[in-house]
Amino acid sequence: SQQGEEDPQALSIQEGENATMNCSYKTSINNLQWYRQNSGRGLVHLILIRSNEREKHSGRLRVTLDTSKKSSSLLITASRAADTASYFCALNSGNTPLVFGKGTRLSVIA
Amino acid sequence: SQTIHQWPATLVQPVGSPLSLECTVEGTSNPNLYWYRQAAGRGLQLLFYSVGIGQISSEVPQNLSASRPQDRQFILSSKKLLLSDSGFYLCAWSRNQETQYFGPGTRLLVL
Repeated sequence: SQQGEEDPQALSIQEGENATMNCSYKTSINNLQWYRQNSGRGLVHLILIRSNEREKHSGRLRVTLDTSKKSSSLLITASRAADTASYFCALNSGNTPLVFGKGTRLSVIA
Repeated sequence: SQTIHQWPATLVQPVGSPLSLECTVEGTSNPNLYWYRQAAGRGLQLLFYSVGIGQISSEVPQNLSASRPQDRQFILSSKKLLLSDSGFYLCAWSRNQETQYFGPGTRLLVL
């Protein structure tokens, strides 16, 4: 099964700046999901975008999906120190378990 | 509301010892259940998943095994731990193959 590849692997920004993370994949998907993991904790689901959707918003989060380029981006606007975490994309390609990428480690410096 | 529990939170075990990690879900019935392992600073590796009692699918052949003795209970076991079994073990559940909800994890150190 395919795995999403996040880019960059690590990102460091100042508080108040926007953070953008990308996820690329190789074959068709039903939906793509983004999760967040604080250090030493379990993952928390952030947002799900279906293959027929192009953009979704949730609070300060904005997710886009370009199925022609097989890529998605997660934008966090007006970042806060509390946004410091690892962010993972996960692919749903059918009636099989989600496949998680290796994640992007975001550091927001106050 | 649904909750997922894992225990223990932390475990230090000698090489060659057995392992039993438990995961239970409350507030839902017939969930899909998953065991993942995460090495330090790395992504998630799916180990096992189950769509029903007694049904276990193994993604990675190794010295670990899983069992689902009850609808909302998922157990990860080993007869003899290896150094390479060290890591962060996460249990998750889902209603279907979509959104997954994760437990707090168990940190295992094999010495």
